[in-house]
Parts: sequence; C-alpha cells; structure tokens
Amino acid sequence: EIVLTQSPATLSLSPGERATLSCRASQSVSSYLAWYQQKPGQAPRLLIYDASNRATGIPARFSGSGSGTDFTLTISSLEPEDFAVYYCQQRSNWPLMYTFGQGTKLELK
Amino acid sequence: QLQLQESGPGLVKPSETLSLTCTVSGGSISSSSYYWGWIRQPPGKGLEWTGIIYYSGSTYYNPSLKSRVTISVDTSKNQFSLNLSSVTAADTAVYYCARHDCSSTSCPFDYWGQGILVTVSS
Repeated sequence: EIVLTQSPATLSLSPGERATLSCRASQSVSSYLAWYQQKPGQAPRLLIYDASNRATGIPARFSGSGSGTDFTLTISSLEPEDFAVYYCQQRSNWPLMYTFGQGTKLELK
Repeated sequence: QLQLQESGPGLVKPSETLSLTCTVSGGSISSSSYYWGWIRQPPGKGLEWTGIIYYSGSTYYNPSLKSRVTISVDTSKNQFSLNLSSVTAADTAVYYCARHDCSSTSCPFDYWGQGILVTVSS
C-alpha cells in the first residue's frame, strides 16, 4: 500500500503570505495525485488533480506541482477563506486503491 | 448542477450492518468516465477510501474493508449504496458519497455529498 505523508502537520500563517504544503509518497505515483480543501463541517473540495491541474472554479492562487514521490500545493497569497485542512490523495493501479494523506492544517497566525 | 445526497440511519448497533444510500441528481449515474464511491472520516480524523462502483456494477474495495463491504448500484433510481457488515465502534464516522472523474488520470473525487454521521453504539 502506498502511504502519503503530508508536512507540516500544522502551518501557521497570516493573510497575504505564501503557503507551501508538501505531500510525499512512499513510492512513485506518477502524476496520479489530487489535493482537497476541507473546512469544518463541510465535505472536502477538489482543488488540484493530476498533480498540477486546477479544478473548475478554483482560484489561480492555488497551484500544484511535482511528480513521482514529491508534490507541493502552493497558495500564492492567502485569503481569509483559505484557512482549512488540506489533503493529498493518490491513485494506485495494482491493486486499484485510493489513499489520502493525514492532512495539513493551515491556521491563522 | 450535480448533487449527491446520503441517506440512512445515523445509529447502528455493534455487529449489525451499516446501510447507506447515495442519491444522484442533476446528472446520470450511467455516464461513462465516472465511478461512484464512498469515503469515510472518523470524528477528528482523516479521510479513508471505502470503495467505488461503475454503473455496470464493477466494484473495487479498500483491501482493509473488503471482507465486510459491499457497494451496489441502482441505475433506475440513480442511486448507489454501501453496506458494511459486522460494524464496531471503529466504524463510527462521517460517510461521504462522491463522484470519481476518471476522464483524468488521477481519478479525483470532484463532487461530494454533504456527508452523514453514522455512530456505532448499543
């Protein structure tokens, strides 16, 4: 089973600052990686798919990069509504399975 | 606009079977390129993929749950369902249904239901 490790566990920043979140896979997942944002009491929202493609309606301040085992979600300039928990998720083909990272909490400093 | 809505009991007794249904509106569950799945989240914890189904009935399950989980589809009602047998307190979670968009290689979950909290307790 492929394990995704996200770092840091918690990131404390202020509005306007740049956020860099990391997701590392225990083995290569090619570009089969997505990022989600989850706010309290809400379902996760898809931000990025295929490692670097923004989902429909996602602001341009969100960007994803990486391939293989190391991936990054960058928020270029934090808005107040960006403070939430972020998860990465991978797809592996054999066996077909989807796993999530443990999450990074982005909190207001 | 596609919408997904979970329904089912919010309380299940230990050793019994948890049964949930997801009703899809605003789109057809029989659309190609899409799978339909269940993800759960224990209170205060992260997300766990449970399994997925294609409208034809093909299924894939999380190996850690495979012996206890069954996902089925009813295309006439535009619904799919989750059955999880022999539940314990560890199965207490918010259960989300979601659409997999496999037109892209990472098959992301692009539409989610609001989630339903299921508590396992006597």
